[in-house]
Amino acid sequence: DGGITQSPKYLFRKEGQNVTLSCEQNLNHDAMYWYRQDPGQGLRLIYYSQIVNDFQKGDIAEGYSVSREKKESFPLTVTSAQKNPTAFYLCASSPRTGWDSNQPQHFGDGTRLSIL
Amino acid sequence: SQQGEEDPQALSIQEGENATMNCSYKTSINNLQWYRQNSGRGLVHLILIRSNEREKHSGRLRVTLDTSKKSSSLLITASRAADTASYFCATVFIQGAQKLVFGQGTRLTINP
Repeated sequence: DGGITQSPKYLFRKEGQNVTLSCEQNLNHDAMYWYRQDPGQGLRLIYYSQIVNDFQKGDIAEGYSVSREKKESFPLTVTSAQKNPTAFYLCASSPRTGWDSNQPQHFGDGTRLSIL
Repeated sequence: SQQGEEDPQALSIQEGENATMNCSYKTSINNLQWYRQNSGRGLVHLILIRSNEREKHSGRLRVTLDTSKKSSSLLITASRAADTASYFCATVFIQGAQKLVFGQGTRLTINP
């Protein structure tokens, strides 16, 4: 079955450590997105990518980095510069982008990151 | 902020009753989407309504959109225990790339 796989499901970070969250999709979607969700809150966009080797900052990109070397993969690195990384991280993809696009986004099941 | 706002923040009803959730937004949109999130899981797309549409149905779901009031509502009829989840509206704005802006969600509890 096609879908989005995020790993690991749970991740713990020590102070000063960078950690990388994996996101893989086999839906052949062009666009991929990373969101952060805090308890009882909606989703906030961290980074998004419309095509391989290209990505743009979202609303809360500081302390995060991404790469898009393959269409299927969009890993997110939470750097030590992100002082409050504890949150639920969700990856999503959609078939195409553009301001006139009317495509829904498909989500993975998330990674919960906590500080040790 | 361009963020949509859902109302109420929490809703608890008996199984079989109808549930209505509302969403308001601030600027002109391309489309509005509703998503469901079960506890600890990712979001699942429910329905998309374009800015030139006023009402849309999908099974037990009915979505309305009033662009003059910048608001939308999601109605779930004949609720079931499995409908217990958080529901989010997300808007796609006309300017810029397709970026979904989510509200804070309505937490729906269906009591058996």
